[in-house]
Amino acid sequence: GENVEQHPSTLSVQEGDSAVIKCTYSDSASNYFPWYKQELGKRPQLIIDIRSNVGEKKDQRIAVTLNKTAKHFSLHITETQPEDSAVYFCAANSGSARQLTFGSGTQLTVLP
Amino acid sequence: EAQVTQNPRYLITVTGKKLTVTCSQNMNHEYMSWYRQDPGLGLRQIYYSMNVEVTDKGDVPEGYKVSRKEKRNFPLILESPSPNQTSLYFCASRAAGSSYEQYFGPGTRLTVT
Repeated sequence: GENVEQHPSTLSVQEGDSAVIKCTYSDSASNYFPWYKQELGKRPQLIIDIRSNVGEKKDQRIAVTLNKTAKHFSLHITETQPEDSAVYFCAANSGSARQLTFGSGTQLTVLP
Repeated sequence: EAQVTQNPRYLITVTGKKLTVTCSQNMNHEYMSWYRQDPGLGLRQIYYSMNVEVTDKGDVPEGYKVSRKEKRNFPLILESPSPNQTSLYFCASRAAGSSYEQYFGPGTRLTVT
C-alpha cells in the first residue's frame, strides 16, 4: 500500500518568515495530494490540494509543489503569522477505493 | 449546515466493556472512514465504507468493527476495548467521484483504563 513520509516533525519560524514542509510517497499511481491543517483541539481541515497533472498551486500565502518523478510534494507558507501555528498533515490517495494515506504530521510554531 | 457529527466527544471506559462511537453525516456522501490519531503517527485509517453494506479494512483494523446500514451513519464498535485503543478518533466522509476532499467530524477522545 501507500506510504507517506513527512518531515520535519516540528518546525519553528519567526513571524514573517517562510515555512516549508516536505512529504514523499511511494505509490506511483497516486494522483491527489491534499494538505490538512489541524488547530489545537480541532478537526483537520483541508487547506490546499494538488492533482498530479499540475506541478504547483497557490492560494494566497500558501502553495504546494509536486514532483511526480521524485514522488515528493511540499507545502510552502510565506509571511507566516501566529495563526498559522498548527499541526499540518500531508496525504496521498491510494488503493482501489482511492483512500487517503496521511503523513505523521508537522507541528508548526510561529514565534511572534 | 453540512456537517459530520460524532458522539460521544469524550469517553472514559474500562478494559473489556463494549462501546460504540456514532458518526453521522448529512451531505449524502458515499464514502465514510474512521481514523485514529496518535502522537507522532498521524492519522491512521481503521475502516472505510464505499456505500451502504460495503465496508473494508484500513491500515489498523484489529480490535474494531464497523457497520453501514444507512448511508448517513457509520458507527465504530469496540467489542472489548483495551488500553492500547486509547486515542483520538475521527470520522470522515466524502462524496464519490473526482473530489477526494474529506470532511472530518469533531473527534472523540477515548481513554481505556
